[in-house]
Amino acid sequence: QVQLQQSGPGLLKPSQTLSLTCAISGDSVSTNSAAWNWVRQSPSRGLEWLGRTYYRSNWNYDYAASVKSRIIINPDTSKNQFSLQLSSVTPDDTAVYYCAKGWELTVWGQGTPVTVSS
Amino acid sequence: DIVMTQSPDSLAVSLGERATINCKSSQTVLYSSNNKNSLAWYQQKPGQPPKLLISWTSTRESGVPDRFSGSGSGTDFTLTISSLQAEDVAVYYCQQYYRTPLTFGGGTKVEIK
Repeated sequence: QVQLQQSGPGLLKPSQTLSLTCAISGDSVSTNSAAWNWVRQSPSRGLEWLGRTYYRSNWNYDYAASVKSRIIINPDTSKNQFSLQLSSVTPDDTAVYYCAKGWELTVWGQGTPVTVSS
Repeated sequence: DIVMTQSPDSLAVSLGERATINCKSSQTVLYSSNNKNSLAWYQQKPGQPPKLLISWTSTRESGVPDRFSGSGSGTDFTLTISSLQAEDVAVYYCQQYYRTPLTFGGGTKVEIK
């Protein structure tokens, strides 16, 4: 059974970089049959997909246009996890952040509430 | 981007009665390789992440009760709860995974009347 365990700080100041990690158990980040996503949820934006990475002979990355200039998703095969970095955060980035597996999102992490405030 | 529009925003149904949620995509989500629509439904309860109920328009995930069913074609899709139970109180979302960015509907809150 695949499980995703999120970790990372929940309080940031404007202009800082958000960094979250999603540890995978029961599957491999380098499997060639899945993708690994980050999604956020806020009252103002609803559920918003941020991006994904997946391995098909090489690593591939897709990012939402709304965050493309600020986001990096990195797989870490040595630790079987993947991470989210979102730079130059503003209060508008306040949300619950989730990692999730799949094209349709079959397995979700527990969620990390992130607040951006001075 | 493919825009997903759900209706209604909220729905109050008596226990044991049928609940119907609609979802419309702004363009086709038909995946030509398997001739299936790349449309999923999720259930979210307070304080929990969304849970995948149905993929490919009508395929229930393992363990999902058969009172949940999905249907649709073209750009119009429906989630039906045939006999509402107390544990079905939640917000339901549709989502397309045909192309990036993956996009979600705004959600439908289902309550007991």
